[in-house]
Order: sequence, then C-alpha cells, then structure tokens
Amino acid sequence: NAGVTQTPKFQVLKTGQSMTLQCAQDMNHNSMYWYRQDPGMGLRLIYYSASEGTTDKGEVPNGYNVSRLNKREFSLRLESAAPSQTSVYFCASIESYNEQFFGPGTRLTVL
Amino acid sequence: QKEVEQDPGPLSVPEGAIVSLNCTYSNSAFQYFMWYRQYSRKGPELLMYTYSSGNKEDGRFTAQVDKSSKYISLFIRDSQPSDSATYLCAMIAGANNLFFGTGTRLTVIP
Repeated sequence: NAGVTQTPKFQVLKTGQSMTLQCAQDMNHNSMYWYRQDPGMGLRLIYYSASEGTTDKGEVPNGYNVSRLNKREFSLRLESAAPSQTSVYFCASIESYNEQFFGPGTRLTVL
Repeated sequence: QKEVEQDPGPLSVPEGAIVSLNCTYSNSAFQYFMWYRQYSRKGPELLMYTYSSGNKEDGRFTAQVDKSSKYISLFIRDSQPSDSATYLCAMIAGANNLFFGTGTRLTVIP
C-alpha cells in the first residue's frame, strides 16, 4: 500500500518552460488536492477534484491547470513556469476528516 | 488578516517537557480542527482532528479547541526527540478547503 505517490521529487525549470507534476493514490479515495507550501505562507490550495471527472479552483489557481485522469491520478500542469511558482508542491488524497494522506512533495525551482 | 495564525517558533524544549502549540483563527464558521506533523522534507501527516469545542486525547497528544476564543492548542506530554518536526494546524468550514497555519518548528533536545 503506497498511499500517495508524487513524481518527480525535484525539478529545476527555466522561466517559460512547462511541466506536469504527477500524483497517484491507491486508496480508492474520491477527493484529491494540490497544495503549494511556501515559507511563511503555509499550505495553500491550488486545485482540487471532489470526484473523477470534476475539478475546481482553490485559493491560488493562476498559472496552473489540472487533470483528473481517473480515480487514481490527479496531475498538475504549469504551462509557462514563472519564478513565483518556485515552491514545494503536495498532492493530498482526502476521503474524510480523519482519513487524509499527503504525498512526499515535489520541490520545484524556477530560474 | 490571515484566516489562521500560528507562531512559527522555532521552539526548543528538553526531552520529557510538556509542549504547547497554538493557533488562533478569525472565521467563526470553522467547525473541524486538525493538527499535522511534518518531518523535514516530507509531507504533512494527520495527527488529530476535533469537531467543535472541547478536548481530544490520543496517547501523549491532546488537542483542545476553544471556539469562544477562536483558539486551538496541541499539547505533547513527555516529549521525545522523535517529536522534533514542524506542527501545522488547519481548520475547515465547508467541504473542500483546509486553511492551514504556517507551522511551528519544534526541536526536542535529548
């Protein structure tokens, strides 16, 4: 039982490049989330998917797009990376208040 | 004003001490309150959650919510070096967004 997996673990991009962060969960949860974590800001919600086939914006969606490919997978895409998107990105799979699992994170640096 | 305020610390205590971690919030609609532990370069891990006001105990951990003061606490008894981590509080009003504090970095010194 792997829980929540994220790839890649680290990435360095140049301004304007694109990339996709991958997330998968093996717990058969309906809801999946993408957060970013920045020093002094805490975790902030980028996008979430309450169920397969649905996605909604969170607090800081600008510059990102998401795809809920199937129940297991939820990807986050940066179309044209900017230095302000340098952050640690966490995917979470949340079924209920006491059943929440976060992935190990992707550390992204945009130069 | 942020929805959730949390002192970032850092906080250093000797092994065996009682640790008190706190958050305040501004939104009276918050109903569920969570505490997470995050080790360095890892994802957050849910420690405890409570609903509305009151206390909840789990082993060495006690979560306390005072809705009248908009104040929540996490107490760690008999702290261990393995408790050294960043502790995040979070709270939720509706179904889909957790509001997180910035985290308090704790070091327990052997």
